[in-house]
Amino acid sequence: EIVLTQSPGTLSLSPGDRATLSCRASQSISGTYLAWYQQKPGQAPRLLIYGASSRATGIPDRFSGSGSGTDFTLTITGLEPEDFAVYYCQQFGSSPYTFGLGTKVQIK
Amino acid sequence: DVQLAESGGGSVQPGGSLRLSCVASGLPYSSYWMAWVRQAPGKGLEWVANIKHDGGERYYVDSVKGRFTVSRDNAKNSLYLQMNSLRAEDTAMYYCSIRNTAWSPFDFWGQGILVTVSS
Repeated sequence: EIVLTQSPGTLSLSPGDRATLSCRASQSISGTYLAWYQQKPGQAPRLLIYGASSRATGIPDRFSGSGSGTDFTLTITGLEPEDFAVYYCQQFGSSPYTFGLGTKVQIK
Repeated sequence: DVQLAESGGGSVQPGGSLRLSCVASGLPYSSYWMAWVRQAPGKGLEWVANIKHDGGERYYVDSVKGRFTVSRDNAKNSLYLQMNSLRAEDTAMYYCSIRNTAWSPFDFWGQGILVTVSS
């Protein structure tokens, strides 16, 4: 099973700041099978990024993904009030598909 | 617009059974792989099961193998999760999700349905 470790657990930032979220895999994975999701309280997760760096439909360009091998990053450039949420990375190339434990981006 | 609506959740005693349903609209349902993902209260996400667009392939996380069965009825645009021998650790919000192919992310999610296993 591929374990995904997300860091930090919590990120305290202000609107307009840049957020950098890390996702490290226990073994190398193809970026094709790495996704990021956003979840707000009481809501279902929403796909943000797939293929490590491709934005899903309707996702603003302040969200960007990068990385390869075992290290992947989600960057939010210029945090908007609606961006404060929990973010999960996921690998779906090897069963069981696994998620990281999430990074909570909260208002400072 | 794509919509996924889960139902069938509730409270059940350990060892009991529940059947979750998910009805899809706004998409050619029979063309999509589908998945169930769960989230225990205050915890992260856990993939539970996948099913191919024609129902011909099904995959499960080890912790539910032999207890849960995923199925679908394309004529009714519906996805199901039969859950037997339920345990306290199965308590979670259960989400259905669509996947374009076997190698696609989880493109869209329903709002979820709560399952509580408790005596």
